[in-house]
Amino acid sequence: AQSVSQHNHHVILSEAASLELGCNYSYGGTVNLFWYVQYPGQHLQLLLKYFSGDPLVKGIKGFEAEFIKSKFSFNLRKPSVQWSDTAEYFCAVNDDKLIFGTGTRLQVFP
Amino acid sequence: GAGVSQSPSNKVTEKGKDVELRCDPISGHTALYWYRQSLGQGLEFLIYFQGNSAPDKSGLPSDRFSAERTGGSVSTLTIQRTQQEDSAVYLCASSLGSAGLGGEQFFGPGTRLTVL
Repeated sequence: AQSVSQHNHHVILSEAASLELGCNYSYGGTVNLFWYVQYPGQHLQLLLKYFSGDPLVKGIKGFEAEFIKSKFSFNLRKPSVQWSDTAEYFCAVNDDKLIFGTGTRLQVFP
Repeated sequence: GAGVSQSPSNKVTEKGKDVELRCDPISGHTALYWYRQSLGQGLEFLIYFQGNSAPDKSGLPSDRFSAERTGGSVSTLTIQRTQQEDSAVYLCASSLGSAGLGGEQFFGPGTRLTVL
């Protein structure tokens, strides 16, 4: 069965700092990869997704992620975070259903 | 509708009672999923529907849990004889097309279940 690991459970940053959240998945075949975000009190929503093609994927709100097949990784990045990025971030792989990582709680302080 | 809706938004029940949670997917979405979000367990898959059929029920934790979907639309998740460990936020999602195509899943706001 597929699994997803997120190594950073809680990240605290100041505004304008750069962000990188790690995500590794277990499956070696063709994968569809996702990052979802859950802002306080809101629904889970899609940040970005990778199906095929360019391994550098751009998402909403200035986020991007890079699919590195050789490392089984799909790390999320943002060059300069804002206070409004405070949220919980989930990496997921599609195995018909979504298999989620345990999530990373990001707190950004002004 | 505009998005996935779930009801009730909150449910408090006593241990041993049965509960029903409802999900209205986005109109036209053929795939519907149930997940559970709890402290310490993260987001867990429960069951998914393609139309009215459930090809994958592998995430249902016990035989106290069941779900159905009618008319290719509304789905109900039923938990019988609730236990305290059932306390969690139950999330529903839907997607256009079959689950195997890996399409984006749109999530509802969830039902927060508390079992006393």
